[in-house]
Amino acid sequence: AQRVTQPEKLLSVFKGAPVELKCNYSYSGSPELFWYVQYSRQRLQLLLRHISRESIKGFTADLNKGETSFHLKKPFAQEEDSAMYYCALSPLYNDYKLSFGAGTTVTVRA
Amino acid sequence: KAGVTQTPRYLIKTRGQQVTLSCSPISGHRSVSWYQQTPGQGLQFLFEYFSETQRNKGNFPGRFSGRQFSNSRSEMNVSTLELGDSALYLCASSLRSGVADTQYFGPGTRLTVL
Repeated sequence: AQRVTQPEKLLSVFKGAPVELKCNYSYSGSPELFWYVQYSRQRLQLLLRHISRESIKGFTADLNKGETSFHLKKPFAQEEDSAMYYCALSPLYNDYKLSFGAGTTVTVRA
Repeated sequence: KAGVTQTPRYLIKTRGQQVTLSCSPISGHRSVSWYQQTPGQGLQFLFEYFSETQRNKGNFPGRFSGRQFSNSRSEMNVSTLELGDSALYLCASSLRSGVADTQYFGPGTRLTVL
């Protein structure tokens, strides 16, 4: 079974402060991890994924297989980062099924 | 490229009725997945279709079914609606099946069951 846990429902930070969203997962095989974001009145969209190792909008995420975590980080939060963030996991190969965490709502205050 | 489109955007039904939702994937995408989003359960995987075949299924009762057409468009059907079926139903498309491709989501269909 695959499971994703995002322990924080709400996260509030000041503009310019660092932000870290926690994500832990449970999966016995080889996983691919994703972060999806949903801005107000927009559709769910990919922010970044582990395999591409890209930094998008200043966000990075490191897959820690020992701690089974894929935390999302940004050193300096901006007001436009206010959104709902979902961590998601799928098997890397076969039996494709995307499992989402419950989501974290981030509010960046001026 | 046009994004994933879903119709209708809003639906109101009563218990016991059935409903059909439609999803048109991004041109060239052959895999279509469906998700249910509710405040209590979050985003849950319903099923995935590729080349008109259901490739994977989540833990939902048989009242939830789907199909995919030769042009990759997909429909989802829910029969004998229950109050708990009220949710936002999201469709997502990707290029391939069986690998962890990026999914591109539609705006969703908001279903309300009275």
